[in-house]
Amino acid sequence: DTGVSQDPRHKITKRGQNVTFRCDPISEHNRLYWYRQTLGQGPEFLTYFQNEAQLEKSRLLSDRFSAERPKGSFSTLEIQRTEQGDSAMYLCASSPNWADTQYFGPGTRLTVL
Amino acid sequence: GDSVTQMEGPVTLSEEAFLTINCTYTATGYPSLFWYVQYPGEGLQLLLKATKADDKGSNKGFEATYRKETTSFHLEKGSVQVSDSAVYFCALSGLGGAGGTSYGKLTFGQGTILTVHP
Repeated sequence: DTGVSQDPRHKITKRGQNVTFRCDPISEHNRLYWYRQTLGQGPEFLTYFQNEAQLEKSRLLSDRFSAERPKGSFSTLEIQRTEQGDSAMYLCASSPNWADTQYFGPGTRLTVL
Repeated sequence: GDSVTQMEGPVTLSEEAFLTINCTYTATGYPSLFWYVQYPGEGLQLLLKATKADDKGSNKGFEATYRKETTSFHLEKGSVQVSDSAVYFCALSGLGGAGGTSYGKLTFGQGTILTVHP
């Protein structure tokens, strides 16, 4: 068990470009969550998956954001036409099921210039 | 909707001092409550949790008691160490959404920066 991993750890992009982040959860964890954390704030929920099904999306997740979890394993979060307001730390977490402890990855820090 | 309010920081203490970080919440039903910690350069880690009223969570000398009557989950430690310097987040896992669809998602407070000096 190597924990939750995220890639890349840092991403710098220009406004208007598309970016994609990857999250590898702990093996056999059915739940996978995405959160966003801006400087000086706590993480905010974006979306979550139960296996391969995306069950809820926050209103923070505009149409420019899309997330997938094919085959219920790793997940990707894509942001299209990035804006400076998208600059944040994007966190992934996984848990065996809904009532269990969530384990967080190290995050991907996105900077949009 | 669900919300968590933490005492404003940052908090600066001397080693061996007593620590309290206040946390209050608003939620429907009976949420589970958590304290997460983020050490410098590391990811979020669960520090402790409580799943029902009057439960006490404890870990590494930290404690917090789930108080339903005051909707609070204050974090305490009797004697802090330099190695406790970190950002502490209070969070809840509520039961919102139709059919309980939001079971499990966490709502966080804004975080409290703790610095402990030797």
